[in-house]
Amino acid sequence: GQNIDQPTEMTATEGAIVQINCTYQTSGFNGLFWYQQHAGEAPTFLSYNVLDGLEEKGRFSSFLSRSKGYSYLLLKELQMKDSASYLCAVRDSNYQLIWGAGTKLIIKP
Amino acid sequence: DAGVTQSPTHLIKTRGQQVTLRCSPKSGHDTVSWYQQALGQGPQFIFQYYEEEERQRGNFPDRFSGHQFPNYSSELNVNALLLGDSALYLCASSFVTSGTGAETQYFGPGTRLLVL
Repeated sequence: GQNIDQPTEMTATEGAIVQINCTYQTSGFNGLFWYQQHAGEAPTFLSYNVLDGLEEKGRFSSFLSRSKGYSYLLLKELQMKDSASYLCAVRDSNYQLIWGAGTKLIIKP
Repeated sequence: DAGVTQSPTHLIKTRGQQVTLRCSPKSGHDTVSWYQQALGQGPQFIFQYYEEEERQRGNFPDRFSGHQFPNYSSELNVNALLLGDSALYLCASSFVTSGTGAETQYFGPGTRLLVL
């Protein structure tokens, strides 16, 4: 079967750095997405990785290792507005998007 | 650019009824995907439309059907509604950059459907 694993919940302090991990087992691989979702709202696109390595976009960076079936999202200089769920999704060989259940990130002052 | 838009934002129906949800993709995007998201869970893929045809389908019954129009907008139809169909229905439009293969996918605000 296909599976995406992420921690259910994480807590971090304002101004700090947090890393949210995602491991996947899918039928093939055609890219990995990270999305941010605030409660009651639609997911917001953060990043897309299809090649190994680190993609940096301002305070957010995403890393991919295809051989390990592993990705992480790194958030720097955390702000209170970063409190949200972070969803990892993998596009498989059939081009279907397989989603994790999301990681709820709680930022404390 | 208005981004991805969906209508209506909220909807209340009763069991057995039928519903049609609408989506307009982001300008320049030719592919539309529909997802169902229950509270506290990740989105579940329903189907994807490209060039007015259903290209991929997730594990949803035939009660869920769709359509894509020449202007790339799309509709999701659900027949014989069940209580379990209550969820947030998300539309996402996407575009793949030729050459790099980089894909961008953006979601609309969603339609919250409540079946009573």
